[in-house]
This record gives sequence, C-alpha cells and structure tokens, in this order.
Amino acid sequence: EPEVTQTPSHQVTQMGQEVILRCVPISNHLYFYWYRQILGQKVEFLVSFYNNEISEKSEIFDDQFSVERPDGSNFTLKIRSTKLEDSAMYFCASRVAGYEQYFGPGTRLTVT
Amino acid sequence: AQSVTQPDIHITVSEGASLELRCNYSYGATPYLFWYVQSPGQGLQLLLKYFSGDTLVQGIKGFEAEFKRSQSSFNLRKPSVHWSDAAEYFCAVGAPGSNSGYALNFGKGTSLLVTP
Repeated sequence: EPEVTQTPSHQVTQMGQEVILRCVPISNHLYFYWYRQILGQKVEFLVSFYNNEISEKSEIFDDQFSVERPDGSNFTLKIRSTKLEDSAMYFCASRVAGYEQYFGPGTRLTVT
Repeated sequence: AQSVTQPDIHITVSEGASLELRCNYSYGATPYLFWYVQSPGQGLQLLLKYFSGDTLVQGIKGFEAEFKRSQSSFNLRKPSVHWSDAAEYFCAVGAPGSNSGYALNFGKGTSLLVTP
C-alpha cells in the first residue's frame, strides 16, 4: 500500500541553523501539507500546497518557513533560522481529490 | 471561533471492555470529521471519516463513530478493546467550503491505556 515517507526521522540542529525536512507524498496525490506537534500538545496545521503554490497557511508559518516541491516526488519544508521553540514533530500529509489526508511517520526536530 | 474538543485527556479501560472517546466541535456548518490514531513513535493513521450521509460510520480495526448534529459530536466507539488499541487518539475537523487547502483542525488527543 502506498504511503507517505519522511526523512530524516530525527534531526538535531543548533539554534540559528537552517534545516530542510523532506517528504515523499503518495505518487498520485495533488495536495500536500505540513503539520507540527510540539511535545505534549496537539497537532497544528502549518501550510498546504497545491499546483505548485501555497494554498493556505497558518499564523505559525511565518517568513522563517518555506515549502517547495523541487521535483515530481519530493515536498520539502525549510526553516531558515531555527529557534528553540521550533522543536517539534513535523508531519507531512498528502491527499488526492478525495478528502482524506494521509500522514507520514514524522520527523522529530530538536533544536539545541 | 472554530474549535475541536476532546474532553478526556486519559482513559483507562480493561481489555475486552467497551470504549467511547468523545469529540465535540464548534463550526459554522457541518464539517468533515475524522479520527486518527497515533501509536508511540508512529505517524497518524486514519481510523474513519465522515463527510455526509449515514451518521454511523465504520472504520478500521473494529472502530465506529457516530455523528450527532444536534450535539455537535463525533464520538468514537469500539465494543471490545484489545491491548493493541493502546495509543493516542485524535479527532480532527476540516471545514468544507474553505479553499483547496482544507487544513485539519485537531483536538488535543485522548491517551488510551488498556489494562489486562
């Protein structure tokens, strides 16, 4: 069964460094998402992406964040200058024209 | 404001007992409703969904949920819990009529512990 994959599973970085989180959505899906879950808190929406542009973003998704679909398979989330409060589990999700979003296993980002 | 509430942070049930996890939402119209499960160290797996039609929906792993418009609820049930059901359960809501993004709004989750 097709699934969303994410790499790396765990990323440790120093405050102020740039990180890129990678996702490979399910191949025929058209809509892509990033969510995050700070430890002990609920899953929060960051951004959605469709037709090579951002279709919706939350207040969390400020200028430090960017997304890109550099080729036909990858979907990336970049944080330009990480802060301690960016430490979280980051989930990628995708969907086709139906409404279910399928989630990847997540990348745990630790900012020290 | 739109919100999703899962009133129970932790629930403990005995193996073989029945289970009900509560979810209430506050939205302007009937939203799309989902339950996801997250096992430790794992991603979010979709258990079931409601878009329209029959208000009792069946999902995977023997779970079902009932949409009650009058109560703005979408409670998750299972008649007999197995030890492998121990996990974190999230109710999520998507707003129809929003732009193509249709972000999911998650509740804070309910942690299920199953005792022998």
